[in-house]
Amino acid sequence: GQQVMQIPQYQHVQEGEDFTTYCNSSTTLSNIQWYKQRPGGHPVFLIQLVKSGEVKKQKRLTFQFGEAKKNSSLHITATQTTDVGTYFCAAPGSSNTGKLIFGQGTTLQVKP
Amino acid sequence: NAGVMQNPRHLVRRRGQEARLRCSPMKGHSHVYWYRQLPEEGLKFMVYLQKENIIDESGMPKERFSAEFPKEGPSILRIQQVVRGDSAAYFCASSTLSGTGGSYEQYFGPGTRLTVT
Repeated sequence: GQQVMQIPQYQHVQEGEDFTTYCNSSTTLSNIQWYKQRPGGHPVFLIQLVKSGEVKKQKRLTFQFGEAKKNSSLHITATQTTDVGTYFCAAPGSSNTGKLIFGQGTTLQVKP
Repeated sequence: NAGVMQNPRHLVRRRGQEARLRCSPMKGHSHVYWYRQLPEEGLKFMVYLQKENIIDESGMPKERFSAEFPKEGPSILRIQQVVRGDSAAYFCASSTLSGTGGSYEQYFGPGTRLTVT
């Protein structure tokens, strides 16, 4: 079945360091979404990327969609303890019914 | 402006019992999705419903699991004869679907943590 691969699985950084998580698909995607889940919480929508090569910024977060629309990345500049959580990418299922296929997630720990 | 509501938040069932999980989508949303999350894992799609219709149930186990979204009332995910392997967090999400590749970000509820003893 359709898969979305995400790496790394875990990342520990010192507060102030940068962080990046990567997402790859074997198929071309119509769009990709990013979610954040705090420990014990539920996924919260961050952003959706639609266009090839698209780059979007939200304060210290930078999201990129690859030119071939098969990969994406989320980069956080100067991490803070509030960035702790698991970041998931999600892509539409091949049946295009609206369901999302989630990557395995990258869990970010930030040491103060 | 209430978000997605799920209840109960925590549910404990013995093996063989039934579990009923409820989800009320955000106001104005007519599309509901159920996902399952095992500890330390990602979210796995189970089923997508619109009012009175199951659109995609490709992620739902063939036996013991069923879902509905009636004309009135919340969406229900029902698990019959629960087993220990059903222990997980079950999240409901809702969206407004506006065409292929369009804006259909999903808004998640707080989840139901099911523990089977």
